[in-house]
Amino acid sequence: GQNIDQPTEMTATEGAIVQINCTYQTSGFNGLFWYQQHAGEAPTFLSYNVLDGLEEKGRFSSFLSRSKGYSYLLLKELQMKDSASYHCAVSLSNSGYALNFGKGTSLLVTP
Amino acid sequence: EPEVTQTPSHQVTQMGQEVILRCVPISNHLYFYWYRQILGQKVEFLVSFYNNEISEKSEIFDDQFSVERPDGSNFTLKIRSTKLEDSAMYFCASSQLEQFFGPGTRLTVL
Repeated sequence: GQNIDQPTEMTATEGAIVQINCTYQTSGFNGLFWYQQHAGEAPTFLSYNVLDGLEEKGRFSSFLSRSKGYSYLLLKELQMKDSASYHCAVSLSNSGYALNFGKGTSLLVTP
Repeated sequence: EPEVTQTPSHQVTQMGQEVILRCVPISNHLYFYWYRQILGQKVEFLVSFYNNEISEKSEIFDDQFSVERPDGSNFTLKIRSTKLEDSAMYFCASSQLEQFFGPGTRLTVL
């Protein structure tokens, strides 16, 4: 089966840095995605890693280690609007490129 | 900026009734998907569609579900005989690489 683990909840302060970890054990691997989802809204794409290393995109960075089955999403200079759920999702090496999502991490940014 | 659209935004139906959820993917995308999210739970993959046929489906996508691309723009999910446990948010997505999600249809089965 597919197993994707991430913390259920995290709290951080406005202006701070937060790291959301994700570990995965899947039968295939064709890339790891991070999505942001505000309450009542659709997931929106944040980042994609298929090779080991760090991908940086403004205030957001994502890291991947395929040998360890590990990724993290780093959010810098936190803003109140960053309060949302953050989903780690793995694309498997099958046809169709379906995304297998983790349960999501609910991030609360406090003043 | 192009986006995935879905209709209706909210559908209420009686148990046992058929529903059709509609999606218009981004026009130059080739892969289309349906996902669902039961309230408070994770996003779950249902089915992917490429070149006018299903390319992959999950265990959730049983015989009561079907998908269709009736014309060059629409992509539909049909649930033949809805059950209470089908109540969820249904997201359509399309991709070239990263998947772009539509705003979702909230299905409530009474």
